[in-house]
Amino acid sequence: GAGVSQSPSNKVTEKGKDVELRCDPISGHTALYWYRQSLGQGLEFLIYFQGNSAPDKSGLPSDRFSAERTGGSVSTLTIQRTQQEDSAVYLCASSLGGGGTQYFGPGTRLLVL
Amino acid sequence: DQQVKQNSPSLSVQEGRISILNCDYTNSMFDYFLWYKKYPAEGPTFLISISSIKDKNEDGRFTVFLNKSAKHLSLHIVPSQPGDSAVYFCAANSGYALNFGKGTSLLVTP
Repeated sequence: GAGVSQSPSNKVTEKGKDVELRCDPISGHTALYWYRQSLGQGLEFLIYFQGNSAPDKSGLPSDRFSAERTGGSVSTLTIQRTQQEDSAVYLCASSLGGGGTQYFGPGTRLLVL
Repeated sequence: DQQVKQNSPSLSVQEGRISILNCDYTNSMFDYFLWYKKYPAEGPTFLISISSIKDKNEDGRFTVFLNKSAKHLSLHIVPSQPGDSAVYFCAANSGYALNFGKGTSLLVTP
């Protein structure tokens, strides 16, 4: 596709449930990033994938968060046992290479009740 | 610890005038700076960037100025248009992960 796509666009879940968020990066982009934006805050880095290298998970807020990237393309961010403080917009971005200009998807708005 | 700060949460400018959005950073290792524009319910859209080896970059109505000694950058939009109304995020990196400010909401009034 022409840009980064994310699904679902909105997700409402109950506290304690698991959720999966999906990201399709721009074709040919080797680097993929996940960020989240809580209400009134800037974007917070979560995780970075570059090619076949081990991901940088330094931004993940707890071990309930995990992400994988299959075949160097699509990525899934999983949040287990969701908490109300996980409510945020989760944004995915991709770039041609690590450190290149990042292009963002529309985000997934997660609401944990 | 917020390494990129946008101290003005909002700005209102008349159409045709200049909009100046400011950003300060604390990490002297940052070597690449970007501005993103965000409309409601959409992801941030890349606007303009500047490398630390430059002090100015211009693209049409948008100019970014970098003052490394002051650890300050600014985005100038001239002339401002109603369609420029959005939230503007300043971002910086020294590797790959971007550090974002909290954004400035710009309103351009007719």
